[in-house]
Amino acid sequence: DSGVTQTPKHLITATGQRVTLRCSPRSGDLSVYWYQQSLDQGLQFLIQYYNGEERAKGNILERFSAQQFPDLHSELNLSSLELGDSALYFCASGGVNYGYTFGSGTRLTVV
Amino acid sequence: ELKVEQNPLFLSMQEGKNYTIYCNYSTTSDRLYWYRQDPGKSLESLFVLLSNGAVKQEGRLMASLDTKARLSTLHITAAVHDLSATYFCAVVIPNAGGTSYGKLTFGQGTILTVHP
Repeated sequence: DSGVTQTPKHLITATGQRVTLRCSPRSGDLSVYWYQQSLDQGLQFLIQYYNGEERAKGNILERFSAQQFPDLHSELNLSSLELGDSALYFCASGGVNYGYTFGSGTRLTVV
Repeated sequence: ELKVEQNPLFLSMQEGKNYTIYCNYSTTSDRLYWYRQDPGKSLESLFVLLSNGAVKQEGRLMASLDTKARLSTLHITAAVHDLSATYFCAVVIPNAGGTSYGKLTFGQGTILTVHP
């Protein structure tokens, strides 16, 4: 157990639907990072939150949004899902001083 | 925009052989990480390299960092089947808050297969 918890582990949904992925960071970590891993795009940075505030944004689609709550857990919301959104979504927490630790991921399949 | 490039992208090795994976990056950084990923699994941290000339070793793997050349290497000695996995390097880019909580930018990954 890495200390970063992601739920659910697997998600199958239809095109056009909306889903929410959840991440609880390692105890004490204030920063959360979301990544998408697909076969053709590799590991792509989506968005980062630090202590409830957005810190950096990557190649995140407008249909996707995220937030970090006061208890530091984060949610990634994906809407109007398309087949191409099927991927592994990872959450990581930490930073340079304490290391970046990844959760086990959520495998999203859009059918 | 930071680019991180690994080569080779595919590596098929025989057990007992040595090989090196290269990781080049396009902007100044002295924070580089190596991760291992088994199929469908999470990323496991292998090495953290935090300064020019840093060298770390764990078992049959050794990583080094040359910040002037913007190059890191992951050397595999006497490969065994258990090392079969995908290996990623990642570089930290500072954000508005500095380097401490910068995002990781990953290379494409090197798929390593070790054959008997």
